[in-house]
Amino acid sequence: NAGVTQTPKFQVLKTGQSMTLQCAQDMNHNSMYWYRQDPGMGLRLIYYSASEGTTDKGEVPNGYNVSRLNKREFSLRLESAAPSQTSVYFCASSEGGKGHSNQPQHFGDGTRLSIL
Amino acid sequence: AQTVTQSQPEMSVQEAETVTLSCTYDTSESDYYLFWYKQPPSRQMILVIRQEAYKQQNATENRFSVNFQKAAKSFSLKISDSQLGDAAMYFCAYRSADSNYQLIWGAGTKLIIKP
Repeated sequence: NAGVTQTPKFQVLKTGQSMTLQCAQDMNHNSMYWYRQDPGMGLRLIYYSASEGTTDKGEVPNGYNVSRLNKREFSLRLESAAPSQTSVYFCASSEGGKGHSNQPQHFGDGTRLSIL
Repeated sequence: AQTVTQSQPEMSVQEAETVTLSCTYDTSESDYYLFWYKQPPSRQMILVIRQEAYKQQNATENRFSVNFQKAAKSFSLKISDSQLGDAAMYFCAYRSADSNYQLIWGAGTKLIIKP
């Protein structure tokens, strides 16, 4: 049972380069999320997708774009990477929707991204 | 806006003893959910326990239990019979019961287990 799978696990970029972080879940969840985790801080929501075909900004969306490719996949793109985007990125999924707010989010193993 | 505060950046406990991690939150809502997640050095985020605000009974999961004080907006995690495998970062999180899907996270508490 794979759960939430993120690729890659590690990546080093130069300032100005672009890349896409991939996320896929096999739990048939409606909602998916992208977070970043910085030292000394809790997770901060970048973007989320409440259901297939919809995406919304979270707390820190600047510099990122997302695509909900289908129900399983939710990608995060950095168009022009900046050193301030050095962080650990987590993808998560959950049942989503009213009546499911008590359902936990399930997380991938994270991607450690360094921007030089 | 809701906020979650974990006032203890780091805690340590002797193996087999009990430790309590603190979490307070601020909200004007009456219906919400609270979660504790564990993040070991492997980096994976693992759900430890959750609590529905409308339930007066404190949630328990084996050695993990919470002390939920709704009026005080406090949600502490008690770990009994601490084990070396409990060493991790622990995060408290809040989620509204309405259609807003966001989890609001605390900054985390690093738990050290002394053998």
